[in-house]
Amino acid sequence: DAGVIQSPRHEVTEMGQEVTLRCKPISGHNSLFWYRQTMMRGLELLIYFNNNVPIDDSGMPEDRFSAKMPNASFSTLKIQPSEPRDSAVYFCASSLSGGNTEAFFGQGTRLTVV
Amino acid sequence: GESVGLHLPTLSVQEGDNSIINCAYSNSASDYFIWYKQESGKGPQFIIDIRSNMDKRQGQRVTVLLNKTVKHLSLQIAATQPGDSAVYFCAENAGGTSYGKLTFGQGTILTVHP
Repeated sequence: DAGVIQSPRHEVTEMGQEVTLRCKPISGHNSLFWYRQTMMRGLELLIYFNNNVPIDDSGMPEDRFSAKMPNASFSTLKIQPSEPRDSAVYFCASSLSGGNTEAFFGQGTRLTVV
Repeated sequence: GESVGLHLPTLSVQEGDNSIINCAYSNSASDYFIWYKQESGKGPQFIIDIRSNMDKRQGQRVTVLLNKTVKHLSLQIAATQPGDSAVYFCAENAGGTSYGKLTFGQGTILTVHP
Protein backbone atom coordinates (compact mmCIF):
# COMPACT_ATOMS: atom_id res chain seq x y z
CA ASP A 1 0.00 0.00 0.00
CA ALA A 2 1.27 3.48 -0.83
CA GLY A 3 0.16 4.91 2.49
CA VAL A 4 -1.95 8.01 2.96
CA ILE A 5 -1.72 10.17 -0.13
CA GLN A 6 -2.24 13.91 0.00
CA SER A 7 -2.35 16.42 -2.80
CA PRO A 8 -1.06 18.88 -3.59
CA ARG A 9 2.21 18.80 -1.62
CA HIS A 10 2.52 22.56 -1.85
CA GLU A 11 -0.09 25.22 -2.55
CA VAL A 12 0.40 28.96 -2.84
CA THR A 13 -2.72 31.02 -3.26
CA GLU A 14 -3.90 34.56 -2.92
CA MET A 15 -6.05 35.73 -0.06
CA GLY A 16 -9.72 35.31 -0.85
CA GLN A 17 -9.27 32.34 -3.13
CA GLU A 18 -10.78 28.92 -2.53
CA VAL A 19 -8.36 26.15 -1.60
CA THR A 20 -9.11 22.43 -1.74
CA LEU A 21 -6.83 19.87 -0.13
CA ARG A 22 -7.24 16.20 -0.98
CA CYS A 23 -6.59 12.96 0.83
CA LYS A 24 -6.71 9.30 -0.04
CA PRO A 25 -6.60 7.15 3.11
CA ILE A 26 -5.04 3.71 3.36
CA SER A 27 -7.32 1.10 1.85
CA GLY A 28 -9.36 -0.64 4.53
CA HIS A 29 -9.01 2.16 7.05
CA ASN A 30 -12.31 3.69 8.06
CA SER A 31 -11.23 6.53 10.31
CA LEU A 32 -9.82 9.68 8.74
CA PHE A 33 -8.36 12.72 10.44
CA TRP A 34 -7.46 16.21 9.25
CA TYR A 35 -4.78 18.05 11.26
CA ARG A 36 -3.19 21.47 10.92
CA GLN A 37 0.36 22.17 12.07
CA THR A 38 1.77 25.63 12.75
CA MET A 39 4.61 27.00 14.82
CA MET A 40 2.11 28.95 16.88
CA ARG A 41 -0.30 26.18 17.78
CA GLY A 42 1.45 22.90 17.07
CA LEU A 43 -0.52 19.95 15.70
CA GLU A 44 -4.27 20.57 15.95
CA LEU A 45 -7.04 18.14 15.11
CA LEU A 46 -9.54 19.85 12.84
CA ILE A 47 -12.06 17.09 12.15
CA TYR A 48 -12.28 13.35 12.05
CA PHE A 49 -14.54 10.90 10.25
CA ASN A 50 -15.55 7.37 11.05
CA ASN A 51 -17.07 5.32 8.21
CA ASN A 52 -17.30 8.51 6.13
CA VAL A 53 -19.37 10.29 8.79
CA PRO A 54 -17.97 13.36 10.55
CA ILE A 55 -17.72 12.49 14.25
CA ASP A 56 -16.10 15.57 15.73
CA ASP A 57 -15.55 18.86 13.92
CA SER A 58 -14.99 20.96 17.02
CA GLY A 59 -11.48 21.77 15.86
CA MET A 60 -12.57 23.42 12.63
CA PRO A 61 -11.59 27.05 13.18
CA GLU A 62 -14.53 28.74 11.51
CA ASP A 63 -17.15 28.45 8.82
CA ARG A 64 -14.61 29.14 6.11
CA PHE A 65 -13.40 25.59 6.66
CA SER A 66 -15.36 22.57 5.50
CA ALA A 67 -14.50 18.90 5.06
CA LYS A 68 -16.19 16.09 3.22
CA MET A 69 -15.73 12.40 2.82
CA PRO A 70 -17.95 11.24 -0.04
CA ASN A 71 -16.61 7.70 0.05
CA ALA A 72 -14.16 5.51 1.93
CA SER A 73 -11.23 6.36 -0.34
CA PHE A 74 -11.40 10.13 -0.60
CA SER A 75 -11.70 13.24 1.54
CA THR A 76 -11.36 16.94 0.96
CA LEU A 77 -10.68 19.92 3.18
CA LYS A 78 -11.82 23.19 1.70
CA ILE A 79 -11.07 26.75 2.77
CA GLN A 80 -13.20 29.47 1.25
CA PRO A 81 -12.22 32.26 1.32
CA SER A 82 -8.62 31.68 2.35
CA GLU A 83 -6.72 34.10 4.59
CA PRO A 84 -3.00 34.52 5.32
CA ARG A 85 -3.48 33.10 8.83
CA ASP A 86 -4.56 29.81 7.25
CA SER A 87 -0.98 29.27 6.12
CA ALA A 88 0.15 26.00 7.67
CA VAL A 89 0.93 22.38 6.91
CA TYR A 90 -2.25 20.32 6.71
CA PHE A 91 -2.00 16.61 7.41
CA CYS A 92 -4.43 13.84 6.70
CA ALA A 93 -4.22 10.58 8.65
CA SER A 94 -6.16 7.34 8.62
CA SER A 95 -6.59 4.41 10.98
CA LEU A 96 -8.66 1.32 11.64
CA SER A 97 -11.55 2.21 13.87
CA GLY A 98 -13.32 0.15 16.47
CA GLY A 99 -10.15 -0.38 18.46
CA ASN A 100 -6.97 1.17 19.63
CA THR A 101 -4.83 1.47 16.54
CA GLU A 102 -2.32 4.01 15.37
CA ALA A 103 -3.08 6.65 12.78
CA PHE A 104 -0.88 6.77 9.69
CA PHE A 105 -0.07 10.20 8.35
CA GLY A 106 0.36 11.52 4.86
CA GLN A 107 3.23 13.77 3.86
CA GLY A 108 1.12 16.88 4.31
CA THR A 109 0.17 19.86 2.19
CA ARG A 110 2.08 23.07 2.83
CA LEU A 111 -0.36 25.90 2.25
CA THR A 112 0.79 29.48 1.85
CA VAL A 113 -1.81 32.22 1.52
CA VAL A 114 -0.39 35.53 0.38
CA GLY B 1 3.75 42.84 16.63
CA GLU B 2 6.13 40.03 17.25
CA SER B 3 4.59 36.58 16.91
CA VAL B 4 5.11 34.10 19.68
CA GLY B 5 5.39 30.47 18.77
CA LEU B 6 5.41 27.34 20.83
CA HIS B 7 8.54 26.90 22.89
CA LEU B 8 9.09 23.22 22.47
CA PRO B 9 11.11 21.38 25.09
CA THR B 10 14.49 20.35 23.72
CA LEU B 11 16.78 17.47 24.52
CA SER B 12 20.35 17.28 23.30
CA VAL B 13 22.30 14.05 23.68
CA GLN B 14 25.48 12.47 22.43
CA GLU B 15 25.35 9.57 20.02
CA GLY B 16 25.19 6.33 21.97
CA ASP B 17 23.53 7.83 25.03
CA ASN B 18 20.06 6.87 26.16
CA SER B 19 17.31 9.47 25.72
CA ILE B 20 14.17 9.96 27.78
CA ILE B 21 11.36 12.12 26.46
CA ASN B 22 8.46 12.95 28.74
CA CYS B 23 4.83 13.80 28.16
CA ALA B 24 2.01 14.80 30.48
CA TYR B 25 -1.47 14.05 29.19
CA SER B 26 -4.67 15.68 30.27
CA ASN B 27 -7.59 13.31 29.85
CA SER B 28 -7.95 10.69 32.55
CA ALA B 29 -10.39 8.84 30.26
CA SER B 30 -7.76 8.29 27.58
CA ASP B 31 -7.08 4.61 27.13
CA TYR B 32 -4.55 4.43 24.32
CA PHE B 33 -1.33 6.34 23.79
CA ILE B 34 1.06 6.65 20.90
CA TRP B 35 4.50 8.12 20.37
CA TYR B 36 5.22 9.66 16.99
CA LYS B 37 8.44 10.91 15.41
CA GLN B 38 8.40 13.77 12.94
CA GLU B 39 11.35 14.62 10.76
CA SER B 40 11.63 17.89 8.92
CA GLY B 41 9.29 18.10 5.95
CA LYS B 42 7.53 14.84 6.75
CA GLY B 43 4.39 13.69 8.46
CA PRO B 44 4.46 12.14 11.94
CA GLN B 45 5.59 8.53 11.92
CA PHE B 46 4.39 5.90 14.40
CA ILE B 47 7.03 4.65 16.86
CA ILE B 48 5.28 2.70 19.59
CA ASP B 49 1.94 2.54 21.38
CA ILE B 50 0.62 1.43 24.73
CA ARG B 51 -2.81 0.67 26.09
CA SER B 52 -4.02 1.87 29.46
CA ASN B 53 -4.04 -1.64 30.93
CA MET B 54 -0.25 -1.73 30.62
CA ASP B 55 2.47 0.32 32.25
CA LYS B 56 5.39 -0.63 30.03
CA ARG B 57 5.94 -1.72 26.49
CA GLN B 58 9.17 -2.36 24.63
CA GLY B 59 10.03 -2.14 20.98
CA GLN B 60 13.27 -2.11 19.09
CA ARG B 61 15.51 0.33 21.00
CA VAL B 62 12.42 2.09 22.38
CA THR B 63 10.42 1.67 25.57
CA VAL B 64 7.25 3.46 26.56
CA LEU B 65 6.27 3.85 30.20
CA LEU B 66 2.79 4.85 31.34
CA ASN B 67 1.94 6.18 34.78
CA LYS B 68 -1.82 6.65 34.92
CA THR B 69 -1.76 7.90 38.50
CA VAL B 70 0.02 11.09 37.51
CA LYS B 71 -1.02 11.01 33.82
CA HIS B 72 2.53 10.77 32.57
CA LEU B 73 4.04 9.05 29.58
CA SER B 74 7.68 8.65 28.69
CA LEU B 75 9.64 7.39 25.70
CA GLN B 76 13.07 5.90 26.24
CA ILE B 77 15.42 5.52 23.29
CA ALA B 78 18.42 3.30 23.83
CA ALA B 79 21.76 3.99 22.15
CA THR B 80 20.48 7.13 20.47
CA GLN B 81 21.67 7.67 16.91
CA PRO B 82 21.93 10.84 14.76
CA GLY B 83 19.01 9.52 12.72
CA ASP B 84 16.85 9.76 15.83
CA SER B 85 17.05 13.56 15.69
CA ALA B 86 13.48 14.76 15.18
CA VAL B 87 10.47 16.16 16.99
CA TYR B 88 8.70 13.58 19.15
CA PHE B 89 5.00 13.78 19.95
CA CYS B 90 2.86 11.86 22.35
CA ALA B 91 -0.79 11.39 21.38
CA GLU B 92 -3.73 10.21 23.42
CA ASN B 93 -6.87 8.51 22.24
CA ALA B 94 -9.76 9.93 24.19
CA GLY B 95 -12.32 7.48 25.48
CA GLY B 96 -16.04 7.81 25.94
CA THR B 97 -17.93 9.80 23.34
CA SER B 98 -14.68 10.98 21.80
CA TYR B 99 -13.42 7.45 21.20
CA GLY B 100 -11.07 7.42 18.27
CA LYS B 101 -10.09 11.08 18.55
CA LEU B 102 -6.30 11.43 18.66
CA THR B 103 -5.00 14.52 20.45
CA PHE B 104 -1.32 15.45 20.25
CA GLY B 105 1.00 17.04 22.76
CA GLN B 106 3.20 19.98 21.80
CA GLY B 107 6.28 17.90 21.00
CA THR B 108 9.91 17.64 22.11
CA ILE B 109 12.88 18.38 19.90
CA LEU B 110 15.58 15.72 20.16
CA THR B 111 19.02 16.55 18.80
CA VAL B 112 21.67 13.84 18.69
CA HIS B 113 25.26 14.96 18.32
CA PRO B 114 27.73 12.60 16.65
